[in-house]
Amino acid sequence: NAGVTQTPKFQVLKTGQSMTLQCAQDMNHEYMSWYRQDPGMGLRLIHYSVGAGITDQGEVPNGYNVSRSTTEDFPLRLLSAAPSQTSVYFCASSRGLAGYEQFFGPGTRLTVL
Amino acid sequence: KQEVTQIPAALSVPEGENLVLNCSFTDSAIYNLQWFRQDPGKGLTSLLLIQSSQREQTSGRLNASLDKSSGRSTLYIAASQPGDSATYLCAVIGIQGAQKLVFGQGTRLTINP
Repeated sequence: NAGVTQTPKFQVLKTGQSMTLQCAQDMNHEYMSWYRQDPGMGLRLIHYSVGAGITDQGEVPNGYNVSRSTTEDFPLRLLSAAPSQTSVYFCASSRGLAGYEQFFGPGTRLTVL
Repeated sequence: KQEVTQIPAALSVPEGENLVLNCSFTDSAIYNLQWFRQDPGKGLTSLLLIQSSQREQTSGRLNASLDKSSGRSTLYIAASQPGDSATYLCAVIGIQGAQKLVFGQGTRLTINP
């Protein structure tokens, strides 16, 4: 079991560029989510999905887009990168939300210049 | 709105000591509480998951307790080792509100040889 994998590990973008952060899990988990971690702000939920074809917004969704075409993959798209999106991004998965252990990926460190 | 607090923000102790990390939350209506460990520049590693109906969970030298009525959880680390040095995060999933983990800011633990 590879668990939750994320690519790339590091990325530098210029303002206005777009990119996709990849997240995959091999545990057949229905629930997947994206968080960003910033100093002093902790971890904040961006988007989440309760199953293939179903996504919803978290608390900081602006500037990000997601889709869930398969159970395994949950990519996060930055539409037009801004310096405020400089952060560490974590993907997580679990069998469900309430009552289930959440497993996190190793993270992607993104810098927007 | 659920808020999670971890005190102290940082803790430094000599190797071999038993120690307790604290986590408090404002809304006792939770499904579960989860403790994580985060090493510098790395992702979150799940340590223990406590369901709302449970009082404690144990894994090796770690013991986590939950007092839902008072909104408190403690993580007890026995016979601390330098390898335990990391940031420890607690997170809850509330029954009311958004589908997300609510994280504390973490306690940065340093174990001195």
